[in-house]
Amino acid sequence: DAGITQSPRYKITETGRQVTLMCHQTWSHSYMFWYRQDLGHGLRLIYYSAAADITDKGEVPDGYVVSRSKTENFPLTLESATRSQTSVYFCASSGGQGDYGYTFGSGTRLTVV
Amino acid sequence: DQQVKQNSPSLSVQEGRISILNCDYTNSMFDYFLWYKKYPAEGPTFLISISSIKDKNEDGRFTVFLNKSAKHLSLHIVPSQPGDSAVYFCAASGWGSSNTGKLIFGQGTTLQVKP
Repeated sequence: DAGITQSPRYKITETGRQVTLMCHQTWSHSYMFWYRQDLGHGLRLIYYSAAADITDKGEVPDGYVVSRSKTENFPLTLESATRSQTSVYFCASSGGQGDYGYTFGSGTRLTVV
Repeated sequence: DQQVKQNSPSLSVQEGRISILNCDYTNSMFDYFLWYKKYPAEGPTFLISISSIKDKNEDGRFTVFLNKSAKHLSLHIVPSQPGDSAVYFCAASGWGSSNTGKLIFGQGTTLQVKP
C-alpha cells in the first residue's frame, strides 16, 4: 500500500532497554522526519534526513539515534530508554524543496516503565 | 525558545459559529505557514497553508490570515461543524540555510465544536 507506515503502533518497554521505532514510506520522498508529541509542547522535531545517509539533529535529539541507509526507511532508536521518552512518536515525509506539506504516519505510542 | 506559539490550549464554540485559532511566531525568516489538524490516534493531516507574500488564503470553510508585521496568523473556520473538533497545530517553515525545510510546530489548540 502506498503511504507512510509506522510500527509498532504501541510499545511498552522498560527503562534502560533499547527500542527501535520503524518508519517506511513508498513515495521515494527525499525528506523524512521524526517528531514527538507531548502535552504542552506540541510536536517537537527529534531528527530529520534530507536524503539517504544524510541526517541531522532537530530540537530534542538527546537519547535518540537515527539512520537512513535506504530512502524509504528511517528508523528511530532509543539507545537506553528513559521514562521522559514516554511519548507519541510521529514519522513524516516530504518531497523536499518547494514541498512544505508533510505527510505523517499514524504514530507510535511508546511507554517506558 | 518556542519559535511558534499557540497560546490558547483549548477553544469551544457552538456549531454554526466561527472558530478562530491564533498563532504567533518569532523567527522573521519563516516564509511559509501551515495548519494541521489532528484527530485522536491519528497522525496530523495538512489543512491549509499560506506563503509570506500573501495575507490571506481561503479554502472552503477555512481561511488563514497572515499579519507579517505582527508575526501573527490565524485560522478561521466558518461555519464550524462538530466534525471540526480536533487538535489544530500551527507550523512554520523556511528554506533558508538555517531551516532546510523543517517544520516548526506550535503547541496545538484543541477545538471543540458543540452541536
